[in-house]
Amino acid sequence: EADIYQTPRYLVIGTGKKITLECSQTMGHDKMYWYQQDPGMELHLIHYSYGVNSTEKGDLSSESTVSRIRTEHFPLTLESARPSHTSQYLCASSEYGQGATGELFFGEGSRLTVL
Amino acid sequence: QKEVEQDPGPLSVPEGAIVSLNCTYSNSAFQYFMWYRQYSRKGPELLMYTYSSGNKEDGRFTAQVDKSSKYISLFIRDSQPSDSATYLCAMSANSNYQLIWGAGTKLIIKP
Repeated sequence: EADIYQTPRYLVIGTGKKITLECSQTMGHDKMYWYQQDPGMELHLIHYSYGVNSTEKGDLSSESTVSRIRTEHFPLTLESARPSHTSQYLCASSEYGQGATGELFFGEGSRLTVL
Repeated sequence: QKEVEQDPGPLSVPEGAIVSLNCTYSNSAFQYFMWYRQYSRKGPELLMYTYSSGNKEDGRFTAQVDKSSKYISLFIRDSQPSDSATYLCAMSANSNYQLIWGAGTKLIIKP
């Protein structure tokens, strides 16, 4: 069982609201990631971090922002949610680079619905 | 064209059958290949990892990579209802590069 936790699991909010999706891991991994997953579609990397105070955008353009102030914590924030932000957001962490051993540890996901 | 193609299914087979799941890819630089399993309302979990070409076996699961054909497969022997899940392939050209994912194949094992 992976020690990576996401809250909330489900969130329904109105357009224009600010939301923060929380992600915490207890494995001491330096590398953390946020993926977006839509039904029948590939996982797309939207943000990643290789350590404290290090954040980068992934291949999928996203209006969200992230921060990495502590090793174990990697929250994702949407300043003004829109219906196009409706999706499943998956947080993951790894000890090595994504390709090295392939072992990404995923949380159970946060399903966001914006009305 | 997508870099990684995967039949979305659903693939429905009876319990005990041998299952074959496949992905094709276009980037000949890929050399790290993974299969993840994702149960409904859960995050993906690593099932098999293979570097370069060849086969790898782990219990009822066998991963196969054919780099000349740009084709990878996951075989499940003696399939069980608990194997019902979505299977995602993922690959990378370099240990530090991000993974490129397939869209996943939904597998249903009927008791």
